[in-house]
Parts: sequence; C-alpha cells; structure tokens
Amino acid sequence: ETGVTQSPTHLIKTRGQQVTLRCSSQSGHNTVSWYQQALGQGPQFIFQYYREEENGRGNFPPRFSGLQFPNYSSELNVNALELDDSALYLCASTQGTSGGQETQYFGPGTRLLVL
Amino acid sequence: GENVEQHPSTLSVQEGDSAVIKCTYSDSASNYFPWYKQELGKGPQLIIDIRSNVGEKKDQRIAVTLNKTAKHFSLHITETQPEDSAVYFCAAISGGSYIPTFGRGTSLIVHP
Repeated sequence: ETGVTQSPTHLIKTRGQQVTLRCSSQSGHNTVSWYQQALGQGPQFIFQYYREEENGRGNFPPRFSGLQFPNYSSELNVNALELDDSALYLCASTQGTSGGQETQYFGPGTRLLVL
Repeated sequence: GENVEQHPSTLSVQEGDSAVIKCTYSDSASNYFPWYKQELGKGPQLIIDIRSNVGEKKDQRIAVTLNKTAKHFSLHITETQPEDSAVYFCAAISGGSYIPTFGRGTSLIVHP
C-alpha cells in the first residue's frame, strides 16, 4: 500500500456535467500530481500542486482545475465533461517540489466514464 | 517536448524465463528514468529507477540499463514469476522539469 487514497473508485457522468475527484496524500507529502490514463496508454501529466499552489501544468485545458488543502488532501475538478475525458485519473504524492524526480506514490485511481 | 516509445506492447514468457522491455526517448536533456509496475485495479508503483550518470542498476531480479548516446533504456527481469504479470511503464524526466513522460506500457504475462 502506498498510503495514497482516492475517491470515488468509479464514477459515471454525462457529457457537459462537472465532476470532482478526491485524493488523500501521505502525511508530510507537500506535493501532489494528477494524471489522466486513457485505456491502453501511459499516464499523462495534468498538473502538480505544492503547498496549495499550482506548480506546473501539462497540456490540458483550463476546464481541468485543482485544489490542494493543508491536510494533505486535494481535488481534481473537470467542467463541461467530454466523452474523451473517460479515463482513469491518478493522483501521486511526493515529499518535495522536485516531484518528478522523487519517488511518486500513486493512489489506485478513479475510473471516470462519460456518456 | 519529450517523446517516449516503449516496446513490446505485449510480452508473454514462461515462468523462469527472462523478460526485457525497451524504451527510447527523444529529449537529450532527460536525466531520470523510472520504471513502474501497474497491477489490475491499482496505481503504478515504482520498481526501479536510473539517473543519467549511471549506466546500469540492479535490484535482485530486476535491472535497468541506460544508453545515453542512443537514448534508450531497458528493463530486465530475470527468473520471472507469475506475480510479475502486470503492465510495466517506463518514463523519462528532463533535468529542468518534474513532469514525467510515460511510455504506452508493456503487458507482461508470465505463464506458470
């Protein structure tokens, strides 16, 4: 177990709706990253938060947004859902700011299906 | 940006055989290369990593090699066991970045 939890495990939404996914990082891990993993693909970096501030972003539109809270929990919000948003969403936590070059501890993911 | 190619997409071996998964990357500035194992219903888990100042790293039955000149790195698993069956991902990260670029994954099947 990595100590990173995500909720819900599965979710079904319709196109145009909004969704909030949640992640609870390991205690003491100040950095959380979110990834989208389409079926049969590797994870794609969405964005990273460090001490409640966005610290970097991948090639995702602004309708993907996030929040990080002082209690090591975080959220991924997606507005105006599209069919292509159907994927496994992963969060990963690390201790410091160089998240990509430290060991990342992944949660089990939330499977989102957009109909 | 960085592009990581991973081969093969599927690898089927008999228990006890060796398995090799290969990745190539495009950005010569990449200097950190982790490998992840993802079992069904779980998130990726780091199994081994290598930095660009090292050519090879070994951890029990798992080893990773890096050829910076050719821009490729490989995962080697010896004496495979059924519990090694999973999807394996390589990734590359540039020295000036913290954003990993993942390969598309290799589904390893170890037959008892």
